[in-house]
Amino acid sequence: GAVVSQHPSWVICKSGTSVKIECRSLDFQATTMFWYRQFPKQSLMLMATSNEGSKATYEQGVEKDKFLINHASLTLSTLTVTSAHPEDSSFYICSATRTGQWSNQPQHFGDGTRLSIL
Amino acid sequence: DQQVKQNSPSLSVQEGRISILNCDYTNSMFDYFLWYKKYPAEGPTFLISISSIKDKNEDGRFTVFLNKSAKHLSLHIVPSQPGDSAVYFCAAAGGTSYGKLTFGQGTILTVHP
Repeated sequence: GAVVSQHPSWVICKSGTSVKIECRSLDFQATTMFWYRQFPKQSLMLMATSNEGSKATYEQGVEKDKFLINHASLTLSTLTVTSAHPEDSSFYICSATRTGQWSNQPQHFGDGTRLSIL
Repeated sequence: DQQVKQNSPSLSVQEGRISILNCDYTNSMFDYFLWYKKYPAEGPTFLISISSIKDKNEDGRFTVFLNKSAKHLSLHIVPSQPGDSAVYFCAAAGGTSYGKLTFGQGTILTVHP
């Protein structure tokens, strides 16, 4: 159980393109999902908290208009990198926690999306 | 400000021996700690967690120890197996940041046959 699916796993696109990444909880409902970014050989950095039915909460320094998050259902959150540029190239990972769980429960992660902007 | 630190970038261990991965934190509001294992180009896989009300939690070959006074936790893997070779991240949560995890930099564990 507790499977999180992320799609696509790898994207290569031209500068200026907008890219959408999907994160789905396959066997549980997730009121809250999280989006992380990882640079090579560095830690996972939380970008934003995605809340079902409401606006996402962004971490300091993360551009809201650049990284659009939509959490339209209890099993799906999307991250859209708008007008992507080479500096947006990175490994993006989502995670989810079961709805209704006590806060101290592990997050379950997707397999990540490797985004390369040419 | 790095609130969760893994000061050893890498660790090399012989198969069958114990692997000890360390993690320090600075935020006294953290009350829940987790260890994740990660392979390249994959998402982290949850291994084991511990709440601040405990000082030890064990699951098979994995044991996590928490020393709250020292703000230090460690992951012990006994016996280590070649399949354990991966990057290990410790993460912490707590305080007002509901559900949000703060990760350490990771430690690359290599278990030699």
